[in-house]
Amino acid sequence: NAGVTQTPKFQVLKTGQSMTLQCAQDMNHNSMYWYRQDPGMGLRLIYYSASEGTTDKGEVPNGYNVSRLNKREFSLRLESAAPSQTSVYFCASSEGWATPSNQPQHFGDGTRLSIL
Amino acid sequence: QKEVEQDPGPLSVPEGAIVSLNCTYSNSAFQYFMWYRQYSRKGPELLMYTYSSGNKEDGRFTAQVDKSSKYISLFIRDSQPSDSATYLCAMRGGSGGYQKVTFGTGTKLQVIP
Repeated sequence: NAGVTQTPKFQVLKTGQSMTLQCAQDMNHNSMYWYRQDPGMGLRLIYYSASEGTTDKGEVPNGYNVSRLNKREFSLRLESAAPSQTSVYFCASSEGWATPSNQPQHFGDGTRLSIL
Repeated sequence: QKEVEQDPGPLSVPEGAIVSLNCTYSNSAFQYFMWYRQYSRKGPELLMYTYSSGNKEDGRFTAQVDKSSKYISLFIRDSQPSDSATYLCAMRGGSGGYQKVTFGTGTKLQVIP
C-alpha cells in the first residue's frame, strides 16, 4: 500500500524553466492538497482540490497551477520557475470534506526543488 | 505575530522520559487541533486530532487542549529513540466550506538512548 506517491523526489531547475510535480494516492480519498515547506515558515497551502473536478487557491498560489486529473492524481505546475520557489513540496490527501476529516491525513515524502 | 507559535527546539531527553510539546495560538475560531510527526526527509504523518477542549489519549500519546488559554500540548510517555522527529501542531476552524489548516513551524525532538 503506497499511500501518497510523489515524483520526482529531487529536481534542480534554472530560473524561467517550467516543470510539473506529480502526485497520486491509492486510498480513494476525495480531497488532495499541495503544500510547500520552508525553514521557519511552516507548511503553507498552495492549492487544494476538495473533490474530483474542483480546485481552489490556498495561501500562496502565485506562480503555480494545478490539475486534478482524476480522483487519484493531482499535479502542480511551475510555469516559469523563480528562486523564491526553492522549497520542499508535499502532496497530501484526506478522506473528504466532512468534518472531522477535513484536514490532510496522509502526506507524500516530498519533492525537493532547487531553482538556480 | 504568527497565528500559531511553536518552540523550534531542539529538545533532547533521555529514553523513558515524559516529553511535553506545546503550541500557543491567537485565533479563537480554531476548533480542531492536530499533531503531526515528521521524520527527517519524510512527509508529516497525522498522529492525533482533537475537537475543542479536553484530552485525548492514544497509546503513549496524550493531546491536551486548553481553549481558554489558547494552548495545546502533546505528551509522550516512556519516550523511545524512535520518537526522535519533528512534531508539528496544526489547527483549523471557522465557518463555511474549507477551513484553512494553520501549521506551527515544528519542534525537533531527540530521544537519547
